[in-house]
Amino acid sequence: EDQVTQSPEALRLQEGESSSLNCSYTVSGLRGLFWYRQDPGKGPEFLFTLYSAGEEKEKERLKATLTKKESFLHITAPKPEDSATYLCAVQAGRSGGSNYKLTFGKGTLLTVNP
Amino acid sequence: DGGITQSPKYLFRKEGQNVTLSCEQNLNHDAMYWYRQDPGQGLRLIYYSQIVNDFQKGDIAEGYSVSREKKESFPLTVTSAQKNPTAFYLCASSSQGYGYTFGSGTRLTVV
Repeated sequence: EDQVTQSPEALRLQEGESSSLNCSYTVSGLRGLFWYRQDPGKGPEFLFTLYSAGEEKEKERLKATLTKKESFLHITAPKPEDSATYLCAVQAGRSGGSNYKLTFGKGTLLTVNP
Repeated sequence: DGGITQSPKYLFRKEGQNVTLSCEQNLNHDAMYWYRQDPGQGLRLIYYSQIVNDFQKGDIAEGYSVSREKKESFPLTVTSAQKNPTAFYLCASSSQGYGYTFGSGTRLTVV
C-alpha cells in the first residue's frame, strides 16, 4: 500500500525566514510525485511534478527536490501570501486499472507572519 | 477557459436524505475522481472513473454512489447510508495518468 507522510503538520515562519517541508513516501515504483497548494475553502492548486531522484523544479520562492525516499519543498524568503496548506501526493507506476490514482499526505499548514 | 466546475459550493442535507454533488469538466480528460477532505485527515478517495460507463470504488466508498454516462460529467450521490457526510468534497480530473486538476469543492453539512 502506498503511503505518504508529511512533516511538520504545521509550520509558522516570520516573513523572510526560509525553511523546508518534508514528504516521505513508500510506493511500488514511483511514477510521479506531486506538490499542491491549498488555500482555505478552495481546491488544491498544482505546483510541481517530479519524476526521478535528483530532479529539482522551481517556481518563484518555491523549489521542490526529490530523492528515492522523500521530497522537500524549500521556501526561500517567504511572504505572508505563501501561507497555505501544502499537499504532497505520489502516483505509482503500476499497470492496470488503478494506475492513475494519487495517494495524498495530510499536508503541512504553513503560516507566514509579517 | 478549460477547467472543472463543482456545484453547489455549499449544500445542506437533512437526516435520511440523499443529495447529489455535480462535477463537470471541459478539459477532455479521461479520468475523474471524487475525494473527501476532513480536518486532519487529508484527502481520501471515494470513487474514480477512467472511462465512460466504468468506475471503481476508492478507499471510502460506503454510503456513496456515482455514475459516468458522459466523459464530461461525474456526479456523486451521498446516500442516507453515509452516517457522517459532513465534509469538504473535491472532484478532480486527469489525462493519461498525469497530475490532477481540481474543482473548487463542495462543502456538505448535515442539519
